[in-house]
Formats: sequence, structure tokens, C-alpha cells
Amino acid sequence: EAQVTQNPRYLITVTGKKLTVTCSQNMNHEYMSWYRQDPGLGLRQIYYSMNVEVTDKGDVPEGYKVSRKEKRNFPLILESPSPNQTSLYFCASSEAGRRGYTFGSGTRLTVV
Amino acid sequence: QKEVEQDPGPLSVPEGAIVSLNCTYSNSAFQYFMWYRQYSRKGPELLMYTYSSGNKEDGRFTAQVDKSSKYISLFIRDSQPSDSATYLCAMSETGANNLFFGTGTRLTVIP
Repeated sequence: EAQVTQNPRYLITVTGKKLTVTCSQNMNHEYMSWYRQDPGLGLRQIYYSMNVEVTDKGDVPEGYKVSRKEKRNFPLILESPSPNQTSLYFCASSEAGRRGYTFGSGTRLTVV
Repeated sequence: QKEVEQDPGPLSVPEGAIVSLNCTYSNSAFQYFMWYRQYSRKGPELLMYTYSSGNKEDGRFTAQVDKSSKYISLFIRDSQPSDSATYLCAMSETGANNLFFGTGTRLTVIP
């Protein structure tokens, strides 16, 4: 089944403790992206990647890092999480910018 | 002013009704327009994808784009309880590179 897989689905952590949210897609898509979804603000892009070793900032990149060492994987790294990063995170992938994104099921992160 | 504006609702309709969902936008460079459906505790799922102006139909769903008015719509005919979800509009200048989303309209279809 074609899909984007994120892990974990739920995560509670403490301020300052580094964490990684993994994302993997099995559709051989070139484009991958991370979004966060907050009430009243909708979905906002954090980072995106157009191919291996090619990444760029989206609208809200502060406090996040990404890497794209393999085509299928695009992890999101929070080096020092803060409470304002409490949110619902989505990874998504797309075939070279066509046909919109396929989204994962989301990771609900709480930073206390 | 936000790039994309969408009425958050909520919107409740009886089963079988025609539903109209709308978004307005300010960036005239947007060329790609999408509608996503998001069920509770799930990721957004692509419903409709259109390029430039015009209409596109897929089963009970019709997407309309009016670039001159910077206005897009999604119509759902013969609405079903299974259509109850949040509907997100999204648009982009160049495709999927960076999508700008509306905040979503929550729809409930009452049996």
C-alpha cells in the first residue's frame, strides 16, 4: 500500500530534550515536506526537500532541523524542544510537485 | 491578511443536501488549487486537484476555480454522513513545493 509512515503517533517530552520524528514513504516521491497544524492557524510548512541532500526552509523553520540522506526518509529533529512546539505534525510526500501531497497520519507532540 | 481565507464553520447539513465550501486568496500567482478532506485523528487526504481556472468534477464532488475573483469552491452533491470531516483548501504557485492552506471548514452531515 502506498503510504507515508510517521513515528511516533504520540509523544510527550520535556523542554530541552532532543527528539526525532521519523518519516518514510514508499512511493519513490522526490518531494517531501513537514507541516505543523495548530488551531486557528491551519497547516504551515516547516521544511521541505525536493530530493536527496536538497532541503529548504518553509514558513516556520525556527527550532527544527531536517535531513534527507535517502529518498524515502525525511526525519524531523527538534534539538531543544520548547512548549510552543506543542502541535500536530504531518509529514507529506509528492511526485516532483505534481498531484498534491500525500500525508502521513500525524504525530501529536506535547512539550512540557 | 492571510494568504488564504476559509470560513471555519462549523457547517451542519441534512443528508442529501448540496454543500458549498469556499476559499478566497490574495496571491494572484497561485496556479494550483487543491481540496483536502481530514477526518478526526487522520492526515489530510487529497480530494480534488486543479490547475488554473475552470471546473473539475469527480463523482459527487465538483471543484471550481475563479482566478479573476481569487475564489475557489468545492461542491458536494447528495451529501452523506461519511462526508462529515474538515475540508481544507490549499494552493500553490508551483505545485507541491509549498502549499498554502486554509484553516479548514468543519462539516457535519446529519442522517
